[in-house]
Amino acid sequence: IAGITQAPTSQILAAGRRMTLRCTQDMRHNAMYWYRQDLGLGLRLIHYSNTAGTTGKGEVPDGYSVSRANTDDFPLTLASAVPSQTSVYFCASSESSGGLDTQYFGPGTRLTVL
Amino acid sequence: GQNIDQPTEMTATEGAIVQINCTYQTSGFNGLFWYQQHAGEAPTFLSYNVLDGLEEKGRFSSFLSRSKGYSYLLLKELQMKDSASYLCAVVSNDYKLSFGAGTTVTVRA
Repeated sequence: IAGITQAPTSQILAAGRRMTLRCTQDMRHNAMYWYRQDLGLGLRLIHYSNTAGTTGKGEVPDGYSVSRANTDDFPLTLASAVPSQTSVYFCASSESSGGLDTQYFGPGTRLTVL
Repeated sequence: GQNIDQPTEMTATEGAIVQINCTYQTSGFNGLFWYQQHAGEAPTFLSYNVLDGLEEKGRFSSFLSRSKGYSYLLLKELQMKDSASYLCAVVSNDYKLSFGAGTTVTVRA
């Protein structure tokens, strides 16, 4: 049972470059989420998807976009990376979108933008 | 916005008890989660409270008082493997999780 996988594990990126972080889950969960985690700030929601074909903005969506073409995959794209996007990115999923279900997190992607 | 406060760091001795407090001021309330996160790893679920009172699960217990906007996570019989960050997260009116910054617990021998 893989749960949630993320790729890459880590990446160093030049400012201005485009980058897609991949997230795949095999639990057939309806809802998926992208968070960033920064020291002293905790996890902050970037974008979410309640079900395949729908997406929504979280607390810090600027500079990021997502798509949800199917149940399993939820990629996060940085169109033109900036140093303030240096962070650890976690993808998560839950059975439903009601917020009351446990969220299961992927192993994270450590991104450095220079 | 959501405001969730928890102490930054706590240190305790192996075998002891530690209580991690979390206070919150959010747009509505639909439940509170505690997650554990070891350094360099993903957060993992510990507990969920939606009604006032104490939920016990082995060595870990979580308490909620909705009227006071307060929760705590109690870790008993501390073990070295309990050294981790503990994240308090509230489900607000939009049914999304808002996380506190986390409390790093260090267990000393």
